[in-house]
Amino acid sequence: GENVEQHPSTLSVQEGDSAVIKCTYSDSASNYFPWYKQELGKRPQLIIDIRSNVGEKKDQRIAVTLNKTAKHFSLHITETQPEDSAVYFCAASKTGGGNKLTFGTGTQLKVEL
Amino acid sequence: GAVVSQHPSWVICKSGTSVKIECRSLDFQATTMFWYRQFPKQSLMLMATSNEGSKATYEQGVEKDKFLINHASLTLSTLTVTSAHPEDSSFYICSAGPGHHPYNEQFFGPGTRLTVL
Repeated sequence: GENVEQHPSTLSVQEGDSAVIKCTYSDSASNYFPWYKQELGKRPQLIIDIRSNVGEKKDQRIAVTLNKTAKHFSLHITETQPEDSAVYFCAASKTGGGNKLTFGTGTQLKVEL
Repeated sequence: GAVVSQHPSWVICKSGTSVKIECRSLDFQATTMFWYRQFPKQSLMLMATSNEGSKATYEQGVEKDKFLINHASLTLSTLTVTSAHPEDSSFYICSAGPGHHPYNEQFFGPGTRLTVL
């Protein structure tokens, strides 16, 4: 089955700096890669996703890049703000795989003033 | 986006009792729903795939007789934790996605915090 690795497990940045979280996946058939933000005790919230037919997607301060050859994708957050502090999860799934998501291990992002 | 609800949001029970958690898709029909368990400071681990009108598919290592799943309608799936023990204490989250959405976008319920005393 699919295996998704995520790094780093914790990330501390100064407000205004950029943050980058990286994930690798094992199943070359995976074609959908969402990123979720989860605050303590809350549900995961989709912040951005990317399909395998594009290499990059941007939404304001958030961007995701995908390298299908290397089987890795990354989340980039620019101009970080304290409210960006949360746990971020990457995930992967594939069409025909029952829409089943395999999650990475998570990254605790802390944005310091 | 699509809305998924869960009930209850939290529950405390005694060891040995059973607890039922409901997951509802409020504005779409879902032939498939997913149940996850999340321990503190850990990732979401898929427990099972709930299929409307048929048996659930359980992930390896998940006891199907302990975690009973029923998906009797296109908008409701239930997870029953039978004979709960303290080690079953966790955050249980369901997800579902409208079938017409491109690719595999999933929407999560708010989660249920289970504490077994």
